[in-house]
Amino acid sequence: SQQGEEDPQALSIQEGENATMNCSYKTSINNLQWYRQNSGRGLVHLILIRSNEREKHSGRLRVTLDTSKKSSSLLITASRAADTASYFCATDAAGGTSYGKLTFGQGTILTVHP
Amino acid sequence: DTGVSQNPRHKITKRGQNVTFRCDPISEHNRLYWYRQTLGQGPEFLTYFQNEAQLEKSRLLSDRFSAERPKGSFSTLEIQRTEQGDSAMYLCASSLTLGRGSYEQYFGPGTRLTVT
Repeated sequence: SQQGEEDPQALSIQEGENATMNCSYKTSINNLQWYRQNSGRGLVHLILIRSNEREKHSGRLRVTLDTSKKSSSLLITASRAADTASYFCATDAAGGTSYGKLTFGQGTILTVHP
Repeated sequence: DTGVSQNPRHKITKRGQNVTFRCDPISEHNRLYWYRQTLGQGPEFLTYFQNEAQLEKSRLLSDRFSAERPKGSFSTLEIQRTEQGDSAMYLCASSLTLGRGSYEQYFGPGTRLTVT
């Protein structure tokens, strides 16, 4: 079953605008990761945020994590047509012996119009 | 190219046939994961290895599925007596995982299986 749920399911914006995607999850986590997937391709790792971190930046990406609300957001600033892809959040559950195993959400399909 | 590679990239098979997929991880990575992704969904965990040891199998992995990682290098995923419901993208990922830290996974391009 999918732990993470992304919102919105689809997002359509113009080039230059910002895109915000949200992810909610159910259990305690060790870390949360965001991945991008271009149509029919493998996943590309974007950013990892640990459970004791609240915000992280990487280039045009900004990720926030609120463990009290069990939610995360991914902000892409100054979007480009090349950012068109599906974006997935994935959680690494805390506790147990199976650390490192990721549980993915259903993804947000982002379309950036030139 | 030193990334994760998967072969074949596409496989079309008839129901009831057996298929085998191969994954070559990044060479120094000790962890190898298999995921399955159906259209419009996120990847779902199937199984993972730490070196040559298979540490966990998902309940999604029926008895028809078997995975190996001999010598802790490449891995194979075999599906016996394929069913139409097995049609999906099978993704492999690897990571260098040292203890209980947080590590990113590097994904291969996937093998798309179509069962007719």
